[in-house]
Amino acid sequence: EVQLVESGGGLVQPGRSLRLSCEASGFTFDDYAMHWVRQAPGKGLEWVSGISWNTRIIVYANSVKGRFTISRDNGKNSLYLQMNSLRVEDTALYYCGKDRSPNLEAVGAWGHGILVTVSS
Amino acid sequence: EIVLTQSPATLSLSPGERATLSCRASQSVSNYLVWYQQKPGQAPRLLIYDAFIRATGIPDRFRGSGSGTDFTLTISSLEPEDFAVYYCQQRSHWPLTFGQGTRVEIK
Repeated sequence: EVQLVESGGGLVQPGRSLRLSCEASGFTFDDYAMHWVRQAPGKGLEWVSGISWNTRIIVYANSVKGRFTISRDNGKNSLYLQMNSLRVEDTALYYCGKDRSPNLEAVGAWGHGILVTVSS
Repeated sequence: EIVLTQSPATLSLSPGERATLSCRASQSVSNYLVWYQQKPGQAPRLLIYDAFIRATGIPDRFRGSGSGTDFTLTISSLEPEDFAVYYCQQRSHWPLTFGQGTRVEIK
């Protein structure tokens, strides 16, 4: 059974940094692309970033480009999101997602999400 | 980036009725269109990818169609568990983008 467990969220002041982690199990991690998708309270889904199985393809949403960095450690079955220069509008539930393929296509499995609150 | 516009925002139907949800892209995405379902308090679930291919375990009452800029998700006969929010997503052009969602509610 695929399991994705996010950690690292919490309350942070605007302008500060936070690093999210996602520990994966139940599948061959380095065969699949991975994603971060967020959902602000009461709002819709927003795709944040994705990374291919071999890290050759890394893409960011325009809203986070230059501030967020996605990475993966295939040896640790883990996905990360380094979030710098956080803004109030980054407040959201952040989901870790496993693609259905090695490249950036569709999120076939989702974690439960981790809440990030940016507030002074 | 590609903008996906979903309509209607809310669909009020009764169990057993047919639901027709629309997703329109600001430019052609070929058939690289995905549909998800999200229930309150839950993570989304993949329903359809590449416009019409059902994901594993998805009942055949869910049907995706369309290509280019206009796509449709049809639920042939609504079951009680189908009342939820549905999102489309394109993978044709980076960055990936989602539509704003359509809520299917019980009439």
